[in-house]
Amino acid sequence: GAGVSQTPSNKVTEKGKYVELRCDPISGHTALYWYRQSLGQGPEFLIYFQGTGAADDSGLPNDRFFAVRPEGSVSTLKIQRTERGDSAVYLCASSFVGGREQFFGPGTRLTVL
Amino acid sequence: AQSVTQLDSQVPVFEEAPVELRCNYSSSVSVYLFWYVQYPNQGLQLLLKYLSGSTLVESINGFEAEFNKSQTSFHLRKPSVHISDTAEYFCAAYQGAQKLVFGQGTRLTINP
Repeated sequence: GAGVSQTPSNKVTEKGKYVELRCDPISGHTALYWYRQSLGQGPEFLIYFQGTGAADDSGLPNDRFFAVRPEGSVSTLKIQRTERGDSAVYLCASSFVGGREQFFGPGTRLTVL
Repeated sequence: AQSVTQLDSQVPVFEEAPVELRCNYSSSVSVYLFWYVQYPNQGLQLLLKYLSGSTLVESINGFEAEFNKSQTSFHLRKPSVHISDTAEYFCAAYQGAQKLVFGQGTRLTINP
């Protein structure tokens, strides 16, 4: 079956611009997660959705970052006024409710010039 | 203190040699422990997991890891590596109900 998909695979933008990153979870997975992986580091948690609601957004670094999941399936991570420090690979994962295994997508590489 | 610590950032080994990638965890995480692998230009894939039961867990491609509560470790081992094992390996644990915390990763390089 289809895994987690993320679009675009690469995004280059200029400092100060707005970007949207999309995640399509595995069908039937109600839990969805966003992580950020900077160069040479392990992934860092950003936000977790259970259905349509953000159950834990403690990892969002500041109010420029926002994520939605309006219908409980596809999610969009939105970054306003991008900064060079936002450059990283943004990973999305999904799982069943209460599932301990998270399935990761291939990531979106964001480069802010 | 780091919640999940991988003690080696890079591990070079020769093909067919044994390898151990070290992982230690702190009391701030649960003992649901994972090893993920990231092959070049690919996404994260689950390699193996410890949730409960037997402290020794195995993957389908010959890796194994042992949960050691007294040493707060979950080291990954393989008795004989192949070129195809070249990848970055991440140890992870849950902090809270659903948040995975990752180590910084260990780059495994296999030399012929």
